[in-house]
Formats: sequence, structure tokens, C-alpha cells
Amino acid sequence: EAGVVQSPRYKIIEKKQPVAFWCNPISGHNTLYWYLQNLGQGPELLIRYENEEAVDDSQLPKDRFSAERLKGVDSTLKIQPAELGDSAVYLCASSFGTGQGANTGELFFGEGSRLTVL
Amino acid sequence: GQSLEQPSEVTAVEGAIVQINCTYQTSGFYGLSWYQQHDGGAPTFLSYNALDGLEETGRFSSFLSRSDSYGYLLLQELQMKDSASYFCAVRKAGTALIFGKGTTLSVSS
Repeated sequence: EAGVVQSPRYKIIEKKQPVAFWCNPISGHNTLYWYLQNLGQGPELLIRYENEEAVDDSQLPKDRFSAERLKGVDSTLKIQPAELGDSAVYLCASSFGTGQGANTGELFFGEGSRLTVL
Repeated sequence: GQSLEQPSEVTAVEGAIVQINCTYQTSGFYGLSWYQQHDGGAPTFLSYNALDGLEETGRFSSFLSRSDSYGYLLLQELQMKDSASYFCAVRKAGTALIFGKGTTLSVSS
């Protein structure tokens, strides 16, 4: 079974440029998450989708970040314009069940997209 | 609000046993998860405790005390490949997992 697929794995851009990350979750997983991970820190939630609906986007900086999950499958996270402080790893995860990883709290993560803003 | 506390670093030698503690403060607590992440890799699920007590999975065990808001991950018969970051994460009502800052485990020969 294929895992969570993210692209690109690495992206280097100059500040003020736009950038987009793509995520394909595990087939059948209705819940999709975007997390931000800074170096030496734990993942921090940006947005959670239940199917195509964003049910928790309270931590998403909406002035520059946007996300979508059309048709409740793939998702795209966009930053426009990027700032130096956005350099981090952007992790996508998915789970089966109603927002809580079924009964075990298990999320399946992709390998992340590492963004460097110069 | 909520908070999770875990040590930033732990060192041990091959074959040893190490315990990584996690204390949390949160409302609406459902359970405590543990994840492992190697450098440059994806976090991977290790265990989940919803009830008090010890859960054993091979060389790894996880413990939860809901009354003490405390849990730990126990790694036995350490191997070099266990060198990684370990995160505790709280599962609570109405939100996604909330992760701690992680503990870097270094295993030496």
C-alpha cells in the first residue's frame, strides 16, 4: 500500500516568491492534515480537513497561507508571499476515521517538503 | 491551553534501557501517542495509550497515568538504529494531535 506522498521534497526560493506543496494521502483516508515542523521542534498543526471541508484552520496564517482539498483527496498548501521565517518542513499526514485517527491516534505522515527561503 | 514537556536529549549505549518521560496539561484528554522520527524522515507511529497502564510492543513499551498527566516511552535492548527523535502527542477532543517538542535519543556503541 502506498503511503502519503508529498512533493516537492525540497524547495529553495527567494523571499516574496510564491510556493506550493502537494500531498496525496493514503487511499481511503478521509482526514488530511498539514503540519509545520521547525528544526528541533515537534510538528505544529496548520490545518485539518475532513473530506473536503477544513474543520480546523485556526493556526493557519491566512494572510499568506492558503490550502485546498478539492474532491476530498489530494491537497495543496500555498504560501504567497514567502518570508524568511517560513523556512521549515511542511508535513502532510492522513488518517482514517472522523478526525481522530480512528481509535489509536495514528497519523500516517509523508516525508515532508523542506522549504528554504533566502 | 495545553502543554507537553519531555526532555530535549537522552543518551544511552547499545543494549541499555532508556525511558523518555512526557508530562502534559490539557483539557478534553483522550490519550497519549508516541512517534519516532529519524533525521530527514517522516514521523512514524509507535504506540497509543488511552487507559492507564503499560502497553508493550516488542522492544518498546508505553505507559500512561491519567491521574498524574504523565506517560513514558520505554525502549529496551537499544540498537544504533533507535537513534532518532521521539515525540509524545496528546489526542484530545475536537482537535488534531498536539505534539511535544521531541526528545533526541543518541545511542552509542
